Amino acid sequence: KNQVEQSPQSLIILEGKNCTLQCNYTVSPFSNLRWYKQDTGRGPVSLTIMTFSENTKSNGRYTATLDADTKQSSLHITASQLSDSASYICVVRGQTGANNLFFGTGTRLTVIP
Amino acid sequence: DAGVTQSPTHLIKTRGQQVTLRCSPKSGHDTVSWYQQALGQGPQFIFQYYEEEERQRGNFPDRFSGHQFPNYSSELNVNALLLGDSALYLCASSLGSRGGQPQHFGDGTRLSIL
Repeated sequence: KNQVEQSPQSLIILEGKNCTLQCNYTVSPFSNLRWYKQDTGRGPVSLTIMTFSENTKSNGRYTATLDADTKQSSLHITASQLSDSASYICVVRGQTGANNLFFGTGTRLTVIP
Repeated sequence: DAGVTQSPTHLIKTRGQQVTLRCSPKSGHDTVSWYQQALGQGPQFIFQYYEEEERQRGNFPDRFSGHQFPNYSSELNVNALLLGDSALYLCASSLGSRGGQPQHFGDGTRLSIL
């Protein structure tokens, strides 16, 4: 069973609308959680990173939240733009080992005009 | 300041062939990790190289091997290619092997097996 689950699998929204992507994880002990944006045919690019002591982190129109008690995170995108169309991947880092990154399968977001 | 660079960007091979993919880490980074990303899936960890040695390995067969050079660049080799090896191969670099540092990804090599 994947230790990082994302929902929804895909999402289509109108340009200018807001949306929220979800990430639930079971990784323990937990070090940090990072949201990546991956454009088609490109490598993932980090949007936000949060440790267990942080509840929210913003990067422009992107705002990530973290509830370490319930092991849930969300990524909220405000006033979506066509360029936001991409896959958004949640990555959780455990505290031990070099192979301690756990990837979600991503949410495919499509913003339409 | 160049980020992580990978070559080639695209590659087409046939079953049974062998392939070598290359990665140059971000300036100042000494650790390289390789991932396989199938279409519509998240990246799967293949292995990590630090100080020219394989430090950790994911659940991939021995057909997948690698190398790290003194300048920290790295190669991923895949032998006896299978149709299922078709994927985007991502390289990520970081400073140190203990996993506490952020990883910077390249744009990947798209490998297609016919």
